[in-house]
Amino acid sequence: AQTVTQSQPEMSVQEAETVTLSCTYDTSESDYYLFWYKQPPSRQMILVIRQEAYKQQNATENRFSVNFQKAAKSFSLKISDSQLGDAAMYFCAYRSPLSGNTPLVFGKGTRLSVIA
Amino acid sequence: DAEITQSPRHKITETGRQVTLACHQTWNHNNMFWYRQDLGHGLRLIHYSYGVQDTNKGEVSDGYSVSRSNTEDLPLTLESAASSQTSVYFCASSESSDGNQPQHFGDGTRLSIL
Repeated sequence: AQTVTQSQPEMSVQEAETVTLSCTYDTSESDYYLFWYKQPPSRQMILVIRQEAYKQQNATENRFSVNFQKAAKSFSLKISDSQLGDAAMYFCAYRSPLSGNTPLVFGKGTRLSVIA
Repeated sequence: DAEITQSPRHKITETGRQVTLACHQTWNHNNMFWYRQDLGHGLRLIHYSYGVQDTNKGEVSDGYSVSRSNTEDLPLTLESAASSQTSVYFCASSESSDGNQPQHFGDGTRLSIL
């Protein structure tokens, strides 16, 4: 079974600075999808960014980018120019492409604080 | 706009009671999922469904059941609530055809069992 590990339970960053959240995963599959979700205090689960394993180019969405290293099974999230609204729980998630649209496997999350 | 709604948003009940959490989506998605979120555990899969009359057990299915009688709804039932089932519950849905499509989540139900 696939597992996802987020080794940083808590992180903090100064406003306008850059922070990187780490995520590693364990799988024997060669094709899969990876996601980062943000959960603010409102409890919503908001998709931040996604990456397809067969694409070597790192995904980017505005201030959010990933460093995807397939061989190392690493999928870190970089947040540039951090804003107060970035404060939230961040979850890394894995999805196998087998059997259609399979459930997500989540890491335990990283709580990000942004300091003004 | 399409959406996924959960009800109630908060619920307090007693051990031994039967509890049903509702999940309704208007995305017309075939796939629906129930997760529970606990501090230190992230989100863990309880049950999921790939279509009407289809249900499957997830990682933490003991004490829970689901039924899928139509595309829009996947209610989650706790047959006899236990204090260990105090948690935040999330319902999600997704398309079948493209694994790159994200799951859409409801806003969660906070369930407290006393």
